[in-house]
Amino acid sequence: KQEVTQIPAALSVPEGENLVLNCSFTDSAIYNLQWFRQDPGKGLTSLLLIQSSQREQTSGRLNASLDKSSGRSTLYIAASQPGDSATYLCAVRGSSNTGKLIFGQGTTLQVKP
Amino acid sequence: NAGVTQTPKFQVLKTGQSMTLQCAQDMNHEYMSWYRQDPGMGLRLIHYSVGAGITDQGEVPNGYNVSRSTTEDFPLRLLSAAPSQTSVYFCATTWGSEQYFGPGTRLTVT
Repeated sequence: KQEVTQIPAALSVPEGENLVLNCSFTDSAIYNLQWFRQDPGKGLTSLLLIQSSQREQTSGRLNASLDKSSGRSTLYIAASQPGDSATYLCAVRGSSNTGKLIFGQGTTLQVKP
Repeated sequence: NAGVTQTPKFQVLKTGQSMTLQCAQDMNHEYMSWYRQDPGMGLRLIHYSVGAGITDQGEVPNGYNVSRSTTEDFPLRLLSAAPSQTSVYFCATTWGSEQYFGPGTRLTVT
């Protein structure tokens, strides 16, 4: 059974710091991995999607990497800003495009001005 | 294009009451799903549908029913609410490899 773990559960950093959020999964047979952002009381917004054949994806100050063999993904946020404060969730999709998404518990990030 | 909409936004129920959480999408996506989100547990899949007339169970289906009579709508029914169903419920569609989430319904069962 696939399990997804995110560490740490919460993180507080000063503005301007570069930071890394971690996601690990137990079954390397994944179709893709997705990082989401969730603001308090809101739904989820997709940030980056990495297909199983890819190693990384970038969007602006965000870079996500995927190492299937070790069951790990990282989300790198460069030059963090107070507006980056949110909960970040990673989710892996099983072995097909219609496979189920399994979510981690999320990392709640606070960026202090 | 409204995307995925959910109603109501908030609901309080007494134990044993029934209700339906509504989910609608205007993107013509075949694949829809329901999740619940509890503190410290991420999102867990309740039920999903790969198209009109087809539904299947997810990770935590007990206490919930679904139906999919049209592509646009995917309602989630609680037949007899229990305090353990207090949660935030999200509906989502899938297109290609991307997921699109609704804003959520916050349900409290007393």
